[in-house]
Amino acid sequence: GNSVTQMEGPVTLSEEAFLTINCTYTATGYPSLFWYVQYPGEGLQLLLKATKADDKGSNKGFEATYRKETTSFHLEKGSVQVSDSAVYFCALSGSDYKLSFGAGTTVTVRA
Amino acid sequence: GAGVSQSPSNKVTEKGKDVELRCDPISGHTALYWYRQRLGQGLEFLIYFQGNSAPDKSGLPSDRFSAERTGESVSTLTIQRTQQEDSAVYLCASSPTTTNTGELFFGEGSRLTVL
Repeated sequence: GNSVTQMEGPVTLSEEAFLTINCTYTATGYPSLFWYVQYPGEGLQLLLKATKADDKGSNKGFEATYRKETTSFHLEKGSVQVSDSAVYFCALSGSDYKLSFGAGTTVTVRA
Repeated sequence: GAGVSQSPSNKVTEKGKDVELRCDPISGHTALYWYRQRLGQGLEFLIYFQGNSAPDKSGLPSDRFSAERTGESVSTLTIQRTQQEDSAVYLCASSPTTTNTGELFFGEGSRLTVL
């Protein structure tokens, strides 16, 4: 079946530091890949997505590239802010139409 | 409404009682999903609806769990004879269609605590 493995947290960074959260997946066929974010006190919301190999999703300074050869979709941001403190979830959607989520990575950015 | 609405936001119940959790999706969204998030864990798929039918119930943990959706709108997740391991945040999400490329819009969840 489909599954997602993402880097365990928590991750604590200083403002303006570089952030990487690793995500790898197992799936049959051609899944779509997503990063969702959950800010404190809010519901999950889509951060970015990529629907085919070599696509790059980007939003709010975050980027992730769909790498079929390494079955990865790592999330990166070059310079984080305090407002980026949140829980980040990598997710996959296959032909069964349901999102399979990773365990989530808690990121805390200190001023 | 503007977003996915879930109620109650918090529910504390005693072991053995039944609970109902409600989800009001974004108007016009035909697909509706239920997920469970236990403390410190990822999201666990429970069930999804396309319209009023549920093509995939594979994630329901036991026959104590059931869900229904009426009128392509509100959905209710019912947990009978609750157990302590049912304690979790139950998340509902909706989507305009059932595809594997689209965004899911999540509610803020219903936090269930079983004493």
